Amino acid sequence: GESVGLHLPTLSVQEGDNSIINCAYSNSASDYFIWYKQESGKGPQFIIDIRSNMDKRQGQRVTVLLNKTVKHLSLQIAATQPGDSAVYFCAEISNTNAGKSTFGDGTTLTVKP
Amino acid sequence: EPEVTQTPSHQVTQMGQEVILRCVPISNHLYFYWYRQILGQKVEFLVSFYNNEISEKSEIFDDQFSVERPDGSNFTLKIRSTKLEDSAMYFCASQSLPGQGRYEQYFGPGTRLTVT
Repeated sequence: GESVGLHLPTLSVQEGDNSIINCAYSNSASDYFIWYKQESGKGPQFIIDIRSNMDKRQGQRVTVLLNKTVKHLSLQIAATQPGDSAVYFCAEISNTNAGKSTFGDGTTLTVKP
Repeated sequence: EPEVTQTPSHQVTQMGQEVILRCVPISNHLYFYWYRQILGQKVEFLVSFYNNEISEKSEIFDDQFSVERPDGSNFTLKIRSTKLEDSAMYFCASQSLPGQGRYEQYFGPGTRLTVT
């Protein structure tokens, strides 16, 4: 079956530094990926997405990189702020109308002031 | 900003009892989902619902589970006979029609189900 996983369960950075969170996936047919942010006591929140025909996509302070050759996805957060502290999940979206999300294990990002 | 709401925020039930978890999706959305997250683990897909029927379901979503959209606004998840291992946070999500192949799902705050 398909699986989506993250390299590190925790990441601690200093406020103002850049953060990089990594994710590996196994399904080479995966077509679409999302990064979610989950704050304590809340549901996952969409951050940024990328289709498999792209290798980079930028948002506000966030960039997602996709390397299909090694089936690797990363989320870069520029100038990390305390409000960025959360659990980050990558997810693969099935290429159906249902669009279910298959989540990875999550990386807990802690931003130190 | 519109949001998905869920009730109750916390439900405690005894093993073998039936529970109904309720969700009010965003009003113009057409796709509805239930996910669950066991404490400390990743979020797992349970079921998707579109056009008044189940589109897709996972292995977790067995005969003990059912979903319903009874009145055009609420979206419910029923567990007929709860087991200890059903204890988890349950998230509802909704989505409008995928635009340009994009799937932006909005998640509710979750219902924490504790089965004793």
